[in-house]
Amino acid sequence: QQQVKQSPQSLIVQKGGISIINCAYENTAFDYFPWYQQFPGKGPALLIAIRPDVSEKKEGRFTISFNKSAKQFSLHIMDSQPGDSATYFCAASTGSGNTGKLIFGQGTTLQVKP
Amino acid sequence: DAMVIQNPRYQVTQFGKPVTLSCSQTLNHNVMYWYQQKSSQAPKLLFHYYDKDFNNEADTPDNFQSRRPNTSFCFLDIRSPGLGDAAMYLCATSRGGLAGGQETQYFGPGTRLLVL
Repeated sequence: QQQVKQSPQSLIVQKGGISIINCAYENTAFDYFPWYQQFPGKGPALLIAIRPDVSEKKEGRFTISFNKSAKQFSLHIMDSQPGDSATYFCAASTGSGNTGKLIFGQGTTLQVKP
Repeated sequence: DAMVIQNPRYQVTQFGKPVTLSCSQTLNHNVMYWYQQKSSQAPKLLFHYYDKDFNNEADTPDNFQSRRPNTSFCFLDIRSPGLGDAAMYLCATSRGGLAGGQETQYFGPGTRLLVL
């Protein structure tokens, strides 16, 4: 019940296309859903995050869509660029106490072809 | 500008030889985390500190220990590394507080550990 399932495992998109990565969770106590971007040899960095009281959040070319009833959320990258090629992790967290324990999805390796 | 610093970036050790990985932060955050990330897998939380309070994940092997001598530094000690411990080890920090579960975690670049 603590798992976050992420798909697809890998994704190839042409430059200018839309990249879509999906995640699903079971634990209804999760109340924070960040997406992290990781380049090879680097640590993950927060890309965008959403709370379950909104259905969509947009920051530039990146949009999170959130479906609370289905317990699913997804990342959309519009106008995908070669520089977006990285591994993307969705995550979920419960506000347990004063620290945040992130449960990560399995990751999606995105390749954007020029 | 580096906020979460990990040293060394690459560490080679021998099977069974103790090794220590280092993390420091300039963010003055209360919480420091250690994650293990194996190739093509998600980061897996090993343990974290809120100030000096240590929180171990239930499935973290006893072979892994941690020390936090002050706010800025945190160490990961692997007492007897096995071949299965070869991985990237990531340190992260967050501010900590009432909304801790909704805070951004800031990750360091990681230390890649190779066990021979």
